Amino acid sequence: DIQMTQSPSSVSASVGDRVTITCRASQGINNWLAWYQQKPGKAPKLLIYVASSLQSGVPSRFSGSGSGTDFTLTISSLQPEDFATYYCQQANSFPLTFGQGTRLEIK
Amino acid sequence: EVQLLESGGGLVQPGGSLRLSCAASGFTFVGYAMSWVRQAPGKGLEWVSGIRSSDGSTHYADSVKGRFTISRDNSENTLYLQMNSLRAEDTAVYYCAKETISGSWYGMDVWGQGTTVTVSS
Repeated sequence: DIQMTQSPSSVSASVGDRVTITCRASQGINNWLAWYQQKPGKAPKLLIYVASSLQSGVPSRFSGSGSGTDFTLTISSLQPEDFATYYCQQANSFPLTFGQGTRLEIK
Repeated sequence: EVQLLESGGGLVQPGGSLRLSCAASGFTFVGYAMSWVRQAPGKGLEWVSGIRSSDGSTHYADSVKGRFTISRDNSENTLYLQMNSLRAEDTAVYYCAKETISGSWYGMDVWGQGTTVTVSS
């Protein structure tokens, strides 16, 4: 199975900050990576797929990059509604696997 | 409106069975791969199982292989998860989710509200 490791596990930031979250795969997954945002008590929301494609309706302050084993999710200017937990997920091979999550908190 | 609505969760004793259902509406169900994803209390997301429509191929997490069975009824626009030999560690909110692009696995863009499964004596 492909293990997905996110860093950091949690991060504190302020509105307006630029934040980067990293996801590393235990083996190469080409660009078969998705990013999700989840708020407490809610279902996850797809932000990015195939590493850098922005899902329809997602604000352009969210961007994704990377290929192979190393990927990043960047939020260019944090907004109050962005404080949530973020997950990466590989779609290269089965079983599909998620990272452990990164909690983004208000500083 | 594109929507997924899960049902069938509840309290079950260890070793018992449950069948979850996910009713889809607002999109061409037959064209999309579908998954079940679960989240144990206070924990992260765990992909459980997926099924592709074009060839009916199914896939499972190692933790549920041999105990859970995913299926779909394209005529009823419904996804199922038959869960047997349930264990305490299967306790979670179970979500059904739709792939964002027709035909394959890219990322899940539509999620249900979740249904809670509790395995306890």
